[in-house]
Amino acid sequence: NAGVTQTPKFRILKIGQSMTLQCAQDMNHNYMYWYRQDPGMGLKLIYYSVGAGITDKGEVPNGYNVSRSTTEDFPLRLELAAPSQTSVYFCASTLERESGELFFGEGSRLTVL
Amino acid sequence: AQSVAQPEDQVNVAEGNPLTVKCTYSVSGNPYLFWYVQYPNRGLQFLLKYITGDNLVKGSYGFEAEFNKSQTSFHLKKPSALVSDSALYFCAVRPRGGSTLGRLYFGRGTQLTVWP
Repeated sequence: NAGVTQTPKFRILKIGQSMTLQCAQDMNHNYMYWYRQDPGMGLKLIYYSVGAGITDKGEVPNGYNVSRSTTEDFPLRLELAAPSQTSVYFCASTLERESGELFFGEGSRLTVL
Repeated sequence: AQSVAQPEDQVNVAEGNPLTVKCTYSVSGNPYLFWYVQYPNRGLQFLLKYITGDNLVKGSYGFEAEFNKSQTSFHLKKPSALVSDSALYFCAVRPRGGSTLGRLYFGRGTQLTVWP
């Protein structure tokens, strides 16, 4: 099993550019999440999805967008990149909404210059 | 508001000694409690969780955690630390029921260093 796969692993963007971070899971999990990790700040939830076609905002959604057209894929779109979006982004999924542990991807390190 | 506190940014311990990484939380009801570990340039890996029952939970790599309801704490422990345990550890909580839809609330993380 591949688990949760994120691409790309590293990316450098110029201010104002746009890009999409890809996330795919092969565990048939309905629940998927995008977090960003900043040093000393833990993980902050950007967006989440409870199934195909259903998404909602987390704590820090500004400047991002998501879609969930299939159970497997949950891409994160950055529009008009800003230096404040320099971070490490993690995609995660879980089978059980309450007691289930999250499975994380390896992360995507994004730098905006 | 839900919050998770890891009061120590860093914990240093000698190999072979016991280790404790502290976590307290402020979450309504009786939440589910989790510990994750992150090695450099990797994603977070699940260590253990508390759902119900025995207050002492055993997890991966010899780690265990003690749930204390009255103190709203969930401290991570290991009887004998290894150098390979050096990593960043995150405590996380998930409220039961309600509209949180499975999201986890994370602490800021504690960097554990085990020296030989």
